[in-house]
Amino acid sequence: TQLLEQSPQFLSIQEGENLTVYCNSSSVFSSLQWYRQEPGEGPVLLVTVVTGGEVKKLKRLTFQFGDARKDSSLHITAAQPGDTGLYLCAGTSNTGKLIFGQGTTLQVKP
Amino acid sequence: GAGVSQSPSNKVTEKGKDVELRCDPISGHTALYWYRQSLGQGLEFLIYFQGNSAPDKSGLPSDRFSAERTGGSVSTLTIQRTQQEDSAVYLCASSLGRDQPQHFGDGTRLSIL
Repeated sequence: TQLLEQSPQFLSIQEGENLTVYCNSSSVFSSLQWYRQEPGEGPVLLVTVVTGGEVKKLKRLTFQFGDARKDSSLHITAAQPGDTGLYLCAGTSNTGKLIFGQGTTLQVKP
Repeated sequence: GAGVSQSPSNKVTEKGKDVELRCDPISGHTALYWYRQSLGQGLEFLIYFQGNSAPDKSGLPSDRFSAERTGGSVSTLTIQRTQQEDSAVYLCASSLGRDQPQHFGDGTRLSIL
């Protein structure tokens, strides 16, 4: 059974601070996605990483896929209150279904 | 609309009743997925459609749950004899193909009294 462990589950920081969210598994995934979800809405795709060692940047967000394609991280630089939300990592299984981590609830206080 | 549409957005029903949840995927998306999101459980996969067939229904929690897709488009998730543990947000996603990025609807919040 493929599982994704996401940490931390909750994070409350001040505006301007940096943070990193981790997503780890003992299984290899063909690709890994990061989503952000606001209350009452569905998850919105932020990025997909496919190649081991890949790094992608989206403004202040940096996503990394581990060399062995078993883990990933999301780093936010100089967090803003608008970054507040639920961040989800999800690995693509060999049948195409997504296997989600438990999510990280981020609160950025002004 | 341009995105995945789900209806109803909220559903409150009594224990033991049947419910139907609907998903309209993005036009042209051949793959369709149902997930369930509940407190403490995260997002769980339920079933995957490719066209009108369901090659992976491994996530359906019991035989009270069923789903169908017609015309390669609209899908309906049916829960029979609802139980309180069925209370959750049911999310639908669609994609151009099996390994393509999935786009989610806003879900149906189901509450069983």
